[in-house]
Amino acid sequence: AQKVTQAQTEISVVEKEDVTLDCVYETRDTTYYLFWYKQPPSGELVFLIRRNSFDEQNEISGRYSWNFQKSTSSFNFTITASQVVDSAVYFCALSGDYKLSFGAGTTVTVRA
Amino acid sequence: ETGVTQTPRHLVMGMTNKKSLKCEQHLGHNAMYWYKQSAKKPLELMFVYSLEERVENNSVPSRFSPECPNSSHLFLHLHTLQPEDSALYLCASSQDRGRYTGELFFGEGSRLTVL
Repeated sequence: AQKVTQAQTEISVVEKEDVTLDCVYETRDTTYYLFWYKQPPSGELVFLIRRNSFDEQNEISGRYSWNFQKSTSSFNFTITASQVVDSAVYFCALSGDYKLSFGAGTTVTVRA
Repeated sequence: ETGVTQTPRHLVMGMTNKKSLKCEQHLGHNAMYWYKQSAKKPLELMFVYSLEERVENNSVPSRFSPECPNSSHLFLHLHTLQPEDSALYLCASSQDRGRYTGELFFGEGSRLTVL
């Protein structure tokens, strides 16, 4: 069975602050993929990143960075110098067993 | 035009009504999905279609009936729903439906309210 846990329900920050979103997962698969999606107020989920289980290198893309640690089954996401446009619900997801399992999501509010 | 289009965006229906949600993808993908998003809960996978064949039915009540007439279109027929079925219904597509699913492309969702 797969499970994705996003313990933080809501995070509120002031613009330019950094924010880190936690994601912990459970799986029995040895090969799997982890994802982060962003859901802005318009509703559609937007793909941000995919990481496979054999690649533990951290990744940076602009103001976004991801820290994958297999030893702790975590795949955390940091937004550096947050902006109001970053306000959204962020979902961590785990693939396997022919489907994508999502966490409950973390609502990020960035105040000007 | 977005890659995945869902209509209607909002729907209000009584418990005895019959309605349908429509999804169309313009990405040339061969797998399509229905997800249910309820407040404060993880997204729930409802159905998966690969090459127009239903390959997964995730214990969804029979009052939800999917239909995939071709690889570009997916419907969710609704009948005799309950108030707890009120949610955002998201359609998604992907290039393939292998064991390790790749990136999903989502529509903006259909917000359903059952009175």
